[in-house]
Amino acid sequence: SYELTQPPSVSVSPGQTARITCSGDALPKKYAYWYQQKSGQAPVLVIYEDSKRPSGIPERFSGSSSGTMATLTISGAQVEDEADYYCYSTDSSGNPSEVFGGGTKLTVL
Amino acid sequence: QVQLVQSGAEVKKPGASVKVSCKASGYTFTSYGISWVRQAPGQGLEWMGWISAYNGNTNYAQKLQGRVTMTTDTSTSTAYMELRSLRSDDTAVYYCARRDSSGSYWGQGTLVTVSS
Repeated sequence: SYELTQPPSVSVSPGQTARITCSGDALPKKYAYWYQQKSGQAPVLVIYEDSKRPSGIPERFSGSSSGTMATLTISGAQVEDEADYYCYSTDSSGNPSEVFGGGTKLTVL
Repeated sequence: QVQLVQSGAEVKKPGASVKVSCKASGYTFTSYGISWVRQAPGQGLEWMGWISAYNGNTNYAQKLQGRVTMTTDTSTSTAYMELRSLRSDDTAVYYCARRDSSGSYWGQGTLVTVSS
């Protein structure tokens, strides 16, 4: 089955740039989406279609994708950005399964 | 405003079935599909599948094929997810979400506990 691979954890100090990666074989052909999930809450979409930001999401959140890797970048990370982040995409095979990455715990302290 | 309101927590015995509802409001129900995602305690998000509210077409995760059924009732703008032959590792929070590439509308989650 299709898999997306993320690092389990990333840690930065406030004001630094955090980068979270997501690798998957179908990413050259399929969009990546990024969700933020804070403890006890439903996920929130922070990036769609590789690099677009939904309304209401701060400009410090950006996304990019190159080859088999998508990257979520938080420029000037703030304490309130501490959360779990999940990438999400679709397989490119004939039976399109959808999948989340394993998630990355972002610590900002 | 768009809202998805899910049914309440459930406790089930192994081998039983559970049916979770997700009532949508604030938009035209048949214009968007509904995805279902679950999250076991302390674990990541798992995509379960989705259903078109327009025509009822479904796409289920391979590992759940044969145990899960997703349906909709357009008269009440409600989506349902039924999971059968429950096992302890089905214990999770189950979320519905509007299938929307640029938006983020999720239900509040429904805790399903499978325990003997």
